[in-house]
Amino acid sequence: KQEVTQIPAALSVPEGENLVLNCSFTDSAIYNLQWFRQDPGKGLTSLLLIQSSQREQTSGRLNASLDKSSGRSTLYIAASQPGDSATYLCAVTGSNYKLTFGKGTLLTVNP
Amino acid sequence: SAVISQKPSRDICQRGTSLTIQCQVDSQVTMMFWYRQQPGQSLTLIATANQGSEATYESGFVIDKFPISRPNLTFSTLTVSNMSPEDSSIYLCSDRSGSGEAFFGQGTRLTVV
Repeated sequence: KQEVTQIPAALSVPEGENLVLNCSFTDSAIYNLQWFRQDPGKGLTSLLLIQSSQREQTSGRLNASLDKSSGRSTLYIAASQPGDSATYLCAVTGSNYKLTFGKGTLLTVNP
Repeated sequence: SAVISQKPSRDICQRGTSLTIQCQVDSQVTMMFWYRQQPGQSLTLIATANQGSEATYESGFVIDKFPISRPNLTFSTLTVSNMSPEDSSIYLCSDRSGSGEAFFGQGTRLTVV
């Protein structure tokens, strides 16, 4: 059974800092890995999708990497802003085409 | 990317009643997915809804409690039946693009009192 772990559970940083969020998964037989952002009480916004054959994806200040063989992904956020404050979720699509989510990292960027 | 409109965005309901949540997608999609997010937890898949067939439920979820309709390729509903305070959660619908990217509705924040 696939398990996804996200570290740290919470992170508080000053504005302007670069930061890294970590995601690990136990079964490397995945189709893709996706990073999401969730604001309190809201739905999920897709940030980046990495296919299993890819190593990284970039969108603006965000960069996500994937090391499928070791079961790890990182989300790098450059020059963080207070508007980046949210919960960041990592999810993998397994061989059954279902998404398995981590519990998320709660990010607070302080002005 | 697909745009999914979900409603209601939130509701407060009496125990023993039922609530139907609607999701409308701006394009035709084969499968739609319904998730539950309990307070402080991550998302758990309730069921997969295919047009023209019965929904497929995950372990721990049953049709009597969470009936799902999928009348066409752009619309689905999830009903939370005979609610109890333990059903207080955020409920989300989702679809997948051809590349496998998942998109979500805005979520329905349900509180059962």
